Amino acid sequence: GQNIDQPTEMTATEGAIVQINCTYQTSGFNGLFWYQQHAGEAPTFLSYNVLDGLEEKGRFSSFLSRSKGYSYLLLKELQMKDSASYLCAVRDNMNRDDKIIFGKGTRLHILP
Amino acid sequence: GAVVSQHPSWVICKSGTSVKIECRSLDFQATTMFWYRQFPKQSLMLMATSNEGSKATYEQGVEKDKFLINHASLTLSTLTVTSAHPEDSSFYICSARDLLAGVTYEQYFGPGTRLTVT
Repeated sequence: GQNIDQPTEMTATEGAIVQINCTYQTSGFNGLFWYQQHAGEAPTFLSYNVLDGLEEKGRFSSFLSRSKGYSYLLLKELQMKDSASYLCAVRDNMNRDDKIIFGKGTRLHILP
Repeated sequence: GAVVSQHPSWVICKSGTSVKIECRSLDFQATTMFWYRQFPKQSLMLMATSNEGSKATYEQGVEKDKFLINHASLTLSTLTVTSAHPEDSSFYICSARDLLAGVTYEQYFGPGTRLTVT
């Protein structure tokens, strides 16, 4: 089975840096995603990590440690528009079913 | 970029009726589409994986006779909620993989369909 854990809610200040952690347990790990989702909208892709290490993309960076079953999403220079839910998702290809399983998401509140 | 559409974007129906939701890949072909359900303030729960030309694979706890999935072409998958009840009210989101993108990891999400059953 799969188990993905991330904090339910976080609060940060505009202009600051925030790190959202995610731990996972899965049978057939084949990569980890981070998605952003605004209320009432579909998720939008932020990053994908399949190898250990840090992937940087503008203000967003994502880190993966496969041995620890751990990832984080780092958001820099926070803006008000970054207020959203951030979903950690694992690509699981056990039983030849290649599918993406989502964690419960972290609601990030940005304060002015 | 790859675009996935859903229709309708929102629907209200009476309890006991059936509702069909369409998911289309507009500018690419998708052998595999996924259907998710999301309740308020919760994450996306995978309901089923839809493969073109074959039966869908349902996740544990999802009733295949209640949520009928048809993936008749490389650009269209449909989800029919049969005999809908108020507890089926939710946000239904589909996603698709681009067949011709080779070994790809990304799934493209549709905008979602808000279903309210009264």
